[in-house]
Amino acid sequence: AQTVTQSQPEMSVQEAETVTLSCTYDTSESDYYLFWYKQPPSRQMILVIRQEAYKQQNATENRFSVNFQKAAKSFSLKISDSQLGDAAMYFCAYRDDGGSQGNLIFGKGTKLSVKP
Amino acid sequence: DSGVTQTPKHLITATGQRVTLRCSPRSGDLSVYWYQQSLDQGLQFLIQYYNGEERAKGNILERFSAQQFPDLHSELNLSSLELGDSALYFCASSPEVGTVTEQYFGPGTRLTVT
Repeated sequence: AQTVTQSQPEMSVQEAETVTLSCTYDTSESDYYLFWYKQPPSRQMILVIRQEAYKQQNATENRFSVNFQKAAKSFSLKISDSQLGDAAMYFCAYRDDGGSQGNLIFGKGTKLSVKP
Repeated sequence: DSGVTQTPKHLITATGQRVTLRCSPRSGDLSVYWYQQSLDQGLQFLIQYYNGEERAKGNILERFSAQQFPDLHSELNLSSLELGDSALYFCASSPEVGTVTEQYFGPGTRLTVT
């Protein structure tokens, strides 16, 4: 079974600095998707970024980028120019390329604090 | 705003009772997923419906059931509630068209069983 591991329960970053959140996963599949979701205190789950396993190029969304290492099964999230509004729980998630079937498998999450 | 709606936002009920949680997916999305978020278990997949049919099951208890209606809204029924069922229940929808696989989450229903 696929698993997702986030080894950093908590992280802290200074406003305007850069922080990297780690995620590793285990799968025997070759085609799959990886996601980062943000959960602020409001508890809403917000999609931050996604990566298709067949793409070698790392995904980027504004200040958010990923470092996808398929062979190492690693998928880290880099947040540049951190802002106070980035403070939240961040969840790494995996999904098989299963056509119209594909639930997300989540890591335990990393709580990010941003210091002013 | 993800476009996914869930009602109610909060629900407080007693052990042994039955509740129904409702989800309306984004316009055009055929897939609905239900997830449970609890402190001890984290975020867990419960069940998926695609265009009215059950497509996949996860760690869903036999006391729980779901369905998706012709208008694509979905309901999650929880019965014989126990204290341990207290959690945040999310619904997510996805178009599942080609490589568009993102799941968009509703605001969740917080269930408290007393």
